[in-house]
Amino acid sequence: EAGVAQSPRYKIIEKRQSVAFWCNPISGHATLYWYQQILGQGPKLLIQFQNNGVVDDSQLPKDRFSAERLKGVDSTLKIQPAKLEDSAVYLCASRAPGQGYTEAFFGQGTRLTVV
Amino acid sequence: DAKTTQPTSMDCAEGRAANLPCNHSTISGNEYVYWYRQIHSQGPQYIIHGLKNNETNEMASLIITEDRKSSTLILPHATLRDTAVYYCIVRGQPVGKLTFGKGITLSVRP
Repeated sequence: EAGVAQSPRYKIIEKRQSVAFWCNPISGHATLYWYQQILGQGPKLLIQFQNNGVVDDSQLPKDRFSAERLKGVDSTLKIQPAKLEDSAVYLCASRAPGQGYTEAFFGQGTRLTVV
Repeated sequence: DAKTTQPTSMDCAEGRAANLPCNHSTISGNEYVYWYRQIHSQGPQYIIHGLKNNETNEMASLIITEDRKSSTLILPHATLRDTAVYYCIVRGQPVGKLTFGKGITLSVRP
């Protein structure tokens, strides 16, 4: 079974530029998450999708961050304009549907450096 | 979701058991305990979860105290590849977000 795919692996941009990250979840996984992980901290949820609808975006800085999941499969996360404090690893995760607990599978992440 | 408290770090010798503690004194009756780990430069990986009974799988064992206020993740024979940050997470719903703390850094020494 293929895992969660993310690209690019690394990105360096200047502040005030824009950037986009891409995630392809495991086939059939209805739930998709984007997490932000700053160095030395645990991952923080930015947004959760159920199919192509947003379930939780309470911690997404909506003035600069946006995310979409068209057709309920792939997802993109965009930052515009980027700030120095956005430097972090951006993790995508997906989860299969089910009545009981199903584990979340994470991608390797995109490491963003804003200079 | 209940808050968890973990030591910052610990180490153990390769081949020995690694016992990782977690306190969750405010856990409520319908909340599960989950453990994930994150190896350097990788995304978190699910290890195990439980409600009140002890659980075991091919990766680890989870021991939950009778009052459910704390738990211990046991890696029975730690290897160098088990060096990672281990996150203890408590939450109620089977679906939805996972709230990560800082976790505990386990260093396995040769």
